[in-house]
Amino acid sequence: DVKVTQSSRYLVKRTGEKVFLECVQDMDHENMFWYRQDPGLGLRLIYFSYDVKMKEKGDIPEGYSVSREKKERFSLILESASTNQTSMYLCASSSQGGNTIYFGEGSWLTVV
Amino acid sequence: GENVEQHPSTLSVQEGDSAVIKCTYSDSASNYFPWYKQELGKRPQLIIDIRSNVGEKKDQRIAVTLNKTAKHFSLHITETQPEDSAVYFCAARIPSGTYKYIFGTGTRLKVLA
Repeated sequence: DVKVTQSSRYLVKRTGEKVFLECVQDMDHENMFWYRQDPGLGLRLIYFSYDVKMKEKGDIPEGYSVSREKKERFSLILESASTNQTSMYLCASSSQGGNTIYFGEGSWLTVV
Repeated sequence: GENVEQHPSTLSVQEGDSAVIKCTYSDSASNYFPWYKQELGKRPQLIIDIRSNVGEKKDQRIAVTLNKTAKHFSLHITETQPEDSAVYFCAARIPSGTYKYIFGTGTRLKVLA
């Protein structure tokens, strides 16, 4: 069974702090994704990666960066957190050419 | 740009009735259309999907139909039960270089007992 694990489920950070959201998958998937979920806006793609050290911007990359040093791990970084980044963040993975995206449980981030 | 529109945003039905959620996509190259169910506080999970070379697919009480000409696909749930209450997301996959998935904005389904 595919497992996508987000290490932090609930975080509260202060404005201006640097925030790291970690995601690990155990199925040797090539593709990994970070989405942001907000009410009424659905799932919006922040960044995705199709290989180690490779990344592409999604629809809303501003204010975020990512890191993929190992195939199983994909990190989302907020360099200087702002209140408008309060949201639920979902990590996901899929195999190269595969159809199904598997999601993590989500990380609820509150920036105060 | 690439876009998936989903309607309605909320849907309430009586237990035992049918529910239909509709999505329209913009990129004609889209070739795969999954539907995800997200229960409160949980991760989205795939419930059914359809490829672009198929017009309809059914799995027990749920079915998906695809009209490629109209760029339109729908989720049908029959004999709804309270446990069907959740947020449902449609998505379209665009095979441009690396695969990219565009999600709809979600439909909150409430099944009233």
